[in-house]
Amino acid sequence: ETGVTQSPTHLIKTRGQQVTLRCSSQSGHNTVSWYQQALGQGPQFIFQYYREEENGRGNFPPRFSGLQFPNYSSELNVNALELDDSALYLCASSLSLAAQETQYFGPGTRLLVL
Amino acid sequence: ELKVEQNPLFLSMQEGKNYTIYCNYSTTSDRLYWYRQDPGKSLESLFVLLSNGAVKQEGRLMASLDTKARLSTLHITAAVHDLSATYFCAVDRGQGGSEKLVFGKGMKLTVNP
Repeated sequence: ETGVTQSPTHLIKTRGQQVTLRCSSQSGHNTVSWYQQALGQGPQFIFQYYREEENGRGNFPPRFSGLQFPNYSSELNVNALELDDSALYLCASSLSLAAQETQYFGPGTRLLVL
Repeated sequence: ELKVEQNPLFLSMQEGKNYTIYCNYSTTSDRLYWYRQDPGKSLESLFVLLSNGAVKQEGRLMASLDTKARLSTLHITAAVHDLSATYFCAVDRGQGGSEKLVFGKGMKLTVNP
């Protein structure tokens, strides 16, 4: 059973550019959540997808958008990048929406915006 | 707005010692999670606590939840160097049945030989 994978591992962009980050869920998991972790902080919830539909969103502007595909892999897109978008982006998958299901986190994509 | 506070944020302790770290949260929730993060790595799930009075133990770590006090503790017994990491607690915002976690800032633990 493969775990959660993310690509790329590192990325450097400049202000105003757009970026797409990718996440492959753990096998059989239909729920994916995305988090932003700034240096020295805890992760902050961006949004969640369940069976290809957005199922909740945190306090992030609309330039943060996402998709979930039929195979439950997911993308996070960020438009008009700002310096403060520099962070570790984590995706987490879980077997379902049930509260007792553990979220399994991927290794993250570290984004640097110059 | 749900806020999650951890204390202490930094802890340096010697091997063999015991210590308890705390996680307080501001609004009602029955679901609390503890994660570990090693430098430059992702988050590893440690405990899922789903009801008042829940207690879970794994190795030298034991976590408990008091939903009335909105408090969770993570107790470290006879610390070893391998426990050095950052520990996060996270609380479910409770929007439907989905996990939309609000994390604390994390507690960086250093265990010295």
